[in-house]
Amino acid sequence: GAVVSQHPSRVICKSGTSVKIECRSLDFQATTMFWYRQFPKQSLMLMATSNEGSKATYEQGVEKDKFLINHASLTLSTLTVTSAHPEDSSFYICSAREHQGGYGYTFGSGTRLTVV
Amino acid sequence: GESVGLHLPTLSVQEGDNSIINCAYSNSASDYFIWYKQESGKGPQFIIDIRSNMDKRQGQRVTVLLNKTVKHLSLQIAATQPGDSAVYFCAENAGGTSYGKLTFGQGTILTVHP
Repeated sequence: GAVVSQHPSRVICKSGTSVKIECRSLDFQATTMFWYRQFPKQSLMLMATSNEGSKATYEQGVEKDKFLINHASLTLSTLTVTSAHPEDSSFYICSAREHQGGYGYTFGSGTRLTVV
Repeated sequence: GESVGLHLPTLSVQEGDNSIINCAYSNSASDYFIWYKQESGKGPQFIIDIRSNMDKRQGQRVTVLLNKTVKHLSLQIAATQPGDSAVYFCAENAGGTSYGKLTFGQGTILTVHP
């Protein structure tokens, strides 16, 4: 089946630095990828929709200059958390939809970001 | 000040029992629904889905029921096993201009006791 690889699985960074998270569709092409954030004991909250070759669409309240999204190919989307602060510590998860449509969503395994 | 965390609903069952997890969704325009299982520190894992033109769908040990009148979704797990212990989320796809976006429900913690 469809597989989405997310890397790194865990990262610890210092406050003020930037962190890049990668999301790759391994065996299918993904026109659209989604980025979610999940705080402990809470649900997944959609941050942005990433479309190959165009600008990402951000949800209300998500700072686009802080969470930079790049979807340069049909198999790779990246999320960069810029000038990270402790309140950005969270579990970030990506998902991808297959290029040929249908309803299937495949999720990555998530990235645990800790900002110290 | 002191922060107040959210508390997910919990369901505790004995191994072998049937489990029913409920979800109320918000958007009457949603036309596609998915149940996911999430284990600690991992991404959501697809369990079963259903489209709005159906009211029931069965998989292996799982059944999803959809009641569009009251905007309610349920997941039934037969003969629950300890490996089923996880957090379960429902998700809805609104279609239309929101095509492709999934909105996740609150989640329910399922604990299966041997």
